[in-house]
Amino acid sequence: EVQLVESGGGLVQPGRSLRLSCASSGFIVSDNYLSWVRQAPGKGLEWVSLIYSDGSTDYADPVKGRFIISRDNSKNTLYLQMNSLRAEDTAVYYCARAGLTVAVWRDWGQGTLVTVSS
Amino acid sequence: DIVMTQSPDSLAVSLGERATINCKSSQSLLYSSNSKNYLAWYQQKLGQPPKLLIYWASTRESGVPDRFSGSGSGTDFTLTITSLQAEDVAVYYCQQYYTTPWTFGQGTKVEIK
Repeated sequence: EVQLVESGGGLVQPGRSLRLSCASSGFIVSDNYLSWVRQAPGKGLEWVSLIYSDGSTDYADPVKGRFIISRDNSKNTLYLQMNSLRAEDTAVYYCARAGLTVAVWRDWGQGTLVTVSS
Repeated sequence: DIVMTQSPDSLAVSLGERATINCKSSQSLLYSSNSKNYLAWYQQKLGQPPKLLIYWASTRESGVPDRFSGSGSGTDFTLTITSLQAEDVAVYYCQQYYTTPWTFGQGTKVEIK
């Protein structure tokens, strides 16, 4: 059974950093396309970042240069390093596994809430 | 970026009746080389992560009830729920995966009348 469990969210001041983790089971992270998708409170879904099976990465413009997606194959875990956080980064962050193609997300974690506020 | 626009923003439908949600993209999602539309639909219930319902505009994900169907091509797409059930109360999102950045519609909230 595929499972994705996010952690690392919390309250952080603007300009500070936070690292999210997504512990995965039931599949091998290095063989899959994995993304972070966020949802601001009461708002819609926004794709944030993707790591391809070959290790290459892609980012949405609002986070480019500030966020870094990575994975640890030995721990089967996905990460999102978030730097220079802004109030508009406040959201629930979901990790998601693609099936079929790179950006059709079949499996989702329950999400972790990041609140950026002073 | 491809802009996805859903209509309506919300709708209330009686149990057993049909719900129809529209999604329009700012450019065609039809890839000519394989004649596939790069459009997916998700359902998100309150407090839960999204759930994939439909991909390739009309292919139902395994385990999704057949009262959910997708149609359309190019820039105009529709999600139809025939015979709405109480458990279908949710927000529904369309999403294009034609090109990065992958973008979602703003969501349509479906409620029981």
